Amino acid sequence: GQQVMQIPQYQHVQEGEDFTTYCNSSTTLSNIQWYKQRPGGHPVFLIQLVKSGEVKKQKRLTFQFGEAKKNSSLHITATQTTDVGTYFCAPITGTASKLTFGTGTRLQVTL
Amino acid sequence: NAGVTQTPKFRVLKTGQSMTLLCAQDMNHEYMYWYRQDPGMGLRLIHYSVGEGTTAKGEVPDGYNVSRLKKQNFLLGLESAAPSQTSVYFCASSTRAGSYEQYFGPGTRLTVT
Repeated sequence: GQQVMQIPQYQHVQEGEDFTTYCNSSTTLSNIQWYKQRPGGHPVFLIQLVKSGEVKKQKRLTFQFGEAKKNSSLHITATQTTDVGTYFCAPITGTASKLTFGTGTRLQVTL
Repeated sequence: NAGVTQTPKFRVLKTGQSMTLLCAQDMNHEYMYWYRQDPGMGLRLIHYSVGEGTTAKGEVPDGYNVSRLKKQNFLLGLESAAPSQTSVYFCASSTRAGSYEQYFGPGTRLTVT
């Protein structure tokens, strides 16, 4: 089955520093979603990318979809403690909008 | 709007016992999903449903059964629990059109001893 790898697995930053997580697939993706899961919580949808080279911004978060549609990234500018959590990329695979979740990147932010 | 709810929130089972996890959504979504999440890992799809009366296997279906008798409910059954089924179980739903984002329930933490 399709595998989606994310790097890094874990990152610890000081508040105010930037953070980036990368999502890589061995196959071309039709689209990709990003989710955030707070510690002890459930995944919450952030965004969906569909077009090659697409860039979308949500306040301090910038999402990119690679030109070849095999990779994606999430960049957070000036992290805050509220950004703590695990970020997952998840391409839609097959029918019924099924998602294949990446391995996730856990972000820890300290003051 | 409650969104997606799951019952129970926590459960401890002994090996060989059975149980049913209930998922309910009030958003009139066609698609529903059951995932499991093991410590430090992503979510893996167990079973899913594209509509009332239909179910299909996901990535890790062995040891689980599901039913969707009503559009708003999706049940996950464990007939004979095993320690390997210790996990957090999440239910999700999505609509057939639009952004296809999935809405997740709060999860059920299951421990099998």
